Amino acid sequence: DGGITQSPKYLFRKEGQNVTLSCEQNLNHDAMYWYRQDPGQGLRLIYYSQIVNDFQKGDIAEGYSVSREKKESFPLTVTSAQKNPTAFYLCASSFRDRAEQYFGPGTRLTVT
Amino acid sequence: QKEVEQNSGPLSVPEGAIASLNCTYSDRVSQSFFWYRQYSGKSPELIMSIYSNGDKEDGRFTAQLNKASQYVSLLIRDSQPSDSATYLCAVNKSFNKFYFGSGTKLNVKP
Repeated sequence: DGGITQSPKYLFRKEGQNVTLSCEQNLNHDAMYWYRQDPGQGLRLIYYSQIVNDFQKGDIAEGYSVSREKKESFPLTVTSAQKNPTAFYLCASSFRDRAEQYFGPGTRLTVT
Repeated sequence: QKEVEQNSGPLSVPEGAIASLNCTYSDRVSQSFFWYRQYSGKSPELIMSIYSNGDKEDGRFTAQLNKASQYVSLLIRDSQPSDSATYLCAVNKSFNKFYFGSGTKLNVKP
């Protein structure tokens, strides 16, 4: 089955801890993206990567970091510097020459 | 000014009616436009994309684009209770960088 997987589905952390969210795709997509969604709001872009070993900041990158060592994988680390990390995190991917983005099932992070 | 604006709703329509969802965007350089459906607690699912002015139909869904007015709409014909969800409008400006509206919640009443 082709698709995008994110793990875990739910994640709970204490304030001050870094946490890494996993995103894997087997669609042979070139580009991958991370968004966060807060209640009643649209998606906001955190980071995106068009090719392996290259990534760019989105609109709300502060307090987050990413890596793209493999085409299939784009993990997101939420650091202790992120002031309000509790949110629904969504990973997406696309072909480089096609605009359509497809989403994974998401990870709901709660930090207390 | 937000990049993409949508009425948050809820929009309530009876089963079998046409639901009309609207979206405006601020930047004229926007190139392509998308509608996603998001059920409560789930991730967005792509249902329509449109790139040029006019209408694009896919089953019960029709997307309409008017670049001069910076306006995108989604029509859902013969609405079903299973269409009840939040519909997100997304606009692609460049390099696959999307901007999303906050979504319109649609309720289809049996």
